[in-house]
Amino acid sequence: NAGVTQTPKFQVLKTGQSMTLQCAQDMNHEYMSWYRQDPGMGLRLIHYSVGAGITDQGEVPNGYNVSRSTTEDFPLRLLSAAPSQTSVYFCASSQLGGGGNQPQHFGDGTRLSIL
Amino acid sequence: GDSVTQMEGPVTLSEEAFLTINCTYTATGYPSLFWYVQYPGEGLQLLLKATKADDKGSNKGFEATYRKETTSFHLEKGSVQVSDSAVYFCALSDSGAGSYQLTFGKGTKLSVIP
Repeated sequence: NAGVTQTPKFQVLKTGQSMTLQCAQDMNHEYMSWYRQDPGMGLRLIHYSVGAGITDQGEVPNGYNVSRSTTEDFPLRLLSAAPSQTSVYFCASSQLGGGGNQPQHFGDGTRLSIL
Repeated sequence: GDSVTQMEGPVTLSEEAFLTINCTYTATGYPSLFWYVQYPGEGLQLLLKATKADDKGSNKGFEATYRKETTSFHLEKGSVQVSDSAVYFCALSDSGAGSYQLTFGKGTKLSVIP
């Protein structure tokens, strides 16, 4: 029972490099989202999707792109990495319906450092 | 906009002590309320939830009651264990805002010492 799988677990980039953080879920969840976790800030929503082909911005979308070509996958792309993007990134998924009371399932996170 | 405020940490308790972590919220609609727990090096896990006023969520000895009149959802446990050491996040999902986004508090780190 894999749940939500994130790869890689750790990554170090240089300023200006690009990369993609992968997220896959095997629970057939419609809703997927990306958060970043910074010390003293809690988790902040970057982008989310309510189904294949549908994405929208969260609280802190600048510098990130997403796409949702399948129900299972929701990659997060850093276009030109900046030191301010050093953070721990979490992907989450949940069922829709129930007026937002469905619990979200989180991956184990990707720890990203930008030098 | 929606917001969640929870007590600042870190909190250090001795084993078998009583735990309270305060959480208050503001929301435009009628939110569902959650407590998530994050153990070291792991992602967040749902601990408990409540979806309407006066509901009590409970799991693993933890409890929280949805208090609409005080806009609060305080987390309690009668006797903590070393294994409860983790970061605890209060969160809300406001269906009235037309989305399924979670708004999180900043987290409270709990350390339980033997």
